[in-house]
Amino acid sequence: DIVMTQSPDSLAVSLGERATINCKSSQSVFYSSNNRNYLTWYQQKPGQPPKVLIYWASTREFGVPDRFSGSGSGTDFTLTISSLQAEDVAVYYCQQYYSIPLTFGQGTKVEIK
Amino acid sequence: QVQLVQSGAEVKKPGSSVKVSCKASGGTFSTYAINWVRQAPGQGLEWMGGIIPIFRTANYAQKFQGRVTITADESTSTAYMELRSLRSEDSAVYYCARASVESTVVTPLDYWGQGTLVTVSS
Repeated sequence: DIVMTQSPDSLAVSLGERATINCKSSQSVFYSSNNRNYLTWYQQKPGQPPKVLIYWASTREFGVPDRFSGSGSGTDFTLTISSLQAEDVAVYYCQQYYSIPLTFGQGTKVEIK
Repeated sequence: QVQLVQSGAEVKKPGSSVKVSCKASGGTFSTYAINWVRQAPGQGLEWMGGIIPIFRTANYAQKFQGRVTITADESTSTAYMELRSLRSEDSAVYYCARASVESTVVTPLDYWGQGTLVTVSS
């Protein structure tokens, strides 16, 4: 199984400041045949199911604000919220879809400082 | 717009079984995988398995092999997840979630049900 490890477990950021979440996979999730990283980012707010923010490591889902961006390749990935808004308070998960079983990071809780 | 509506909360005794349903509407059912993901209280997300209805064969996480069965009924656009030999550690919210790409389980999960709380308690 591919193990996904996020850091930090939680972070507190002031409104308008940048938030950065890291995700590391135990093996590469990059397919050279199509030049894609099989990595997605979700946002989960309390009492709600997760919502896709980013797929293919860096492609923003339709309707997701452009303050959310994803980067990285191979085994190391980053989700960046460029200017934190109050509505961004949530837990963020990375997930690989390179192979079965689908696996998630343990989550990073983002709060307002 | 795709919607996934799950069955209601359940309270079960240890050793018993639970079967959760997930009815899809608003999109193509047969060719998009329905996955099951659970979340224990205050914990992260755990993939249990998935099925592409038209293929009828499910993939399962090793952890749940032999204890879980995922099925799909194309006639009613409903997927099911049955978990047997329940223990207290199975208390969680169980979500169904649809794959974003046809004919494969390994995709992001773009539509989610509302979740079904299963409580296992004597």
